[in-house]
Amino acid sequence: GENVEQHPSTLSVQEGDSAVIKCTYSDSASNYFPWYKQELGKRPQLIIDIRSNVGEKKDQRIAVTLNKTAKHFSLHITETQPEDSAVYFCAASGDDYKLSFGAGTTVTVRA
Amino acid sequence: NAGVTQTPKFQVLKTGQSMTLQCAQDMNHEYMSWYRQDPGMGLRLIHYSVGAGITDQGEVPNGYNVSRSTTEDFPLRLLSAAPSQTSVYFCASNGGGGYGYTFGSGTRLTVV
Repeated sequence: GENVEQHPSTLSVQEGDSAVIKCTYSDSASNYFPWYKQELGKRPQLIIDIRSNVGEKKDQRIAVTLNKTAKHFSLHITETQPEDSAVYFCAASGDDYKLSFGAGTTVTVRA
Repeated sequence: NAGVTQTPKFQVLKTGQSMTLQCAQDMNHEYMSWYRQDPGMGLRLIHYSVGAGITDQGEVPNGYNVSRSTTEDFPLRLLSAAPSQTSVYFCASNGGGGYGYTFGSGTRLTVV
């Protein structure tokens, strides 16, 4: 099955700086790569996703890049704010919609 | 739309007891999944379904059963609870067509 690895496990950034989270996947058949944000005690919520036919996607302060050849994808958050503090998960799936998650990155934005 | 509804929100079981975690969605989604979330381990897939009558195992299926008799409901059964099954359980659904999974609010289960 798919194996998704995520780094770093924790990330502390100064407010206004950028945060980058990196993930790798093992199954070359995977073609869908979402990112979820989970605040303490809440459910995971989809924040951005990318398909394998696209190299980069942006939505305001967040962006995701995908390198299919290297089987890795990254989440970039610019101009971080305190409300960006949360756990972020990357995930991957193929046409079967069987979604596998990374272990998560705890992001802390320091004021 | 209520989205994905999970019940109960909290449950304490004794070792060896059985129970069913309920999950229902009102979005007519084909795909439904059960995950467990443990500290430092992310979300691990227990079972998933691609439609009524069709289920498949995920990464950690042992000790859990599922069935999908209707599109709306996807209950997760713990056959004989063990302390190792103490976790937060999330149900999620996906309508396909390029959209992501929508998660329920979770069930926090403690097995003593």
